[in-house]
Amino acid sequence: DAKTTQPTSMDCAEGRAANLPCNHSTISGNEYVYWYRQIHSQGPQYIIHGLKNNETNEMASLIITEDRKSSTLILPHATLRDTAVYYCIVRAEYNFNKFYFGSGTKLNVKP
Amino acid sequence: EPEVTQTPSHQVTQMGQEVILRCVPISNHLYFYWYRQILGQKVEFLVSFYNNEISEKSEIFDDQFSVERPDGSNFTLKIRSTKLEDSAMYFCASSETDYQPQHFGDGTRLSIL
Repeated sequence: DAKTTQPTSMDCAEGRAANLPCNHSTISGNEYVYWYRQIHSQGPQYIIHGLKNNETNEMASLIITEDRKSSTLILPHATLRDTAVYYCIVRAEYNFNKFYFGSGTKLNVKP
Repeated sequence: EPEVTQTPSHQVTQMGQEVILRCVPISNHLYFYWYRQILGQKVEFLVSFYNNEISEKSEIFDDQFSVERPDGSNFTLKIRSTKLEDSAMYFCASSETDYQPQHFGDGTRLSIL
């Protein structure tokens, strides 16, 4: 699976959009981009995933560049409860085993 | 919304003792996983399980570890003879198919004394 690069930490004002970048320049054609988050010591929470088209659900939007070498997770109106570590993970479609969790981005939402 | 549940939330065990961590995956899911997270470190994959057998395991998952699906609803992780370095959060996850996202429980905090 391709490796990802994320900033160590980011700040965001409450109510504003949080845009979390991820670089996955070695991604191959059958690899999906997944986003998870971990609030304090809770279990990782699935947010969204996509292959090449932009995706949106009730939690977030995922924007994947045309060359698929990077993506951005957008939380449209961040709240204090969105403070967490956000993980960008790349995994092949039929690699049904592990997710590799890197260090992620610590998002601090401030009042 | 269906969720993965894990029990107990906190387990304290003497070194050398056996411990069993329990998980109830989401009911229609067929793929099951264990991960662990040592305090302050990354989430690490331990093992995946499908069709009543291990499909992949990491280097961490040595002979002291075993997994079982004893009935139609539970999925367990057993550590035969615990060591101090086994102290960690242990997360169970499940997925409906091999390419669907994995959904995680809130973990069991294992403390070895």
